[in-house]
Amino acid sequence: DSGVTQTPKHLITATGQRVTLRCSPRSGDLSVYWYQQSLDQGLQFLIQYYNGEERAKGNILERFSAQQFPDLHSELNLSSLELGDSALYFCASSVGISGNTDTQYFGPGTRLTVL
Amino acid sequence: AQSVTQLGSHVSVSEGALVLLRCNYSSSVPPYLFWYVQYPNQGLQLLLKYTTGATLVKGINGFEAEFKKSETSFHLTKPSAHMSDAAEYFCAVSESAGGGNKLTFGTGTQLKVEL
Repeated sequence: DSGVTQTPKHLITATGQRVTLRCSPRSGDLSVYWYQQSLDQGLQFLIQYYNGEERAKGNILERFSAQQFPDLHSELNLSSLELGDSALYFCASSVGISGNTDTQYFGPGTRLTVL
Repeated sequence: AQSVTQLGSHVSVSEGALVLLRCNYSSSVPPYLFWYVQYPNQGLQLLLKYTTGATLVKGINGFEAEFKKSETSFHLTKPSAHMSDAAEYFCAVSESAGGGNKLTFGTGTQLKVEL
């Protein structure tokens, strides 16, 4: 158990819909990261937040957005869903002090299926 | 941008045999390298990481990796495979992204351990 929690574990929805994935980081961690894992794209970095502020952005679609709240939990919002958005979405957290040498601890993921 | 290449998407070994999973990196700056393991239907778990200092890094579950700058490699090894080692293994490099940082993953190597 990494200490990072994600809800829900599974999500099944239809095209065009909007969903929200939630992540609670490990106690004391200030950075939260979101990654997408799909068969064709592999593991891809989406976005990083540090203490409530966006710090880095990767291959995140405009239909996707995220935020980190004052209690440090984070939400990833996916809208106008397409079949190709079906994937496993991971949240990771790190202390956020050492930057590139920080260890990122991963949650169990949310499996999104878009029908 | 930095990248990692994992040679061999599938590796099969006998129980008790040496495990060798290959990872080569491409980086214009000193890299920070990680190995993660993903068991079926689970998140990623850190095996080990290299930041600076000793080039032979020992991790959990008997795994180790050696950073070789001259070969731009960070191969993962374990002297004796166990059935419980069957999983997918990801090599990753940590790099700066905007004002933060991110992990860039290889495509993964599925390890099969046979009796």
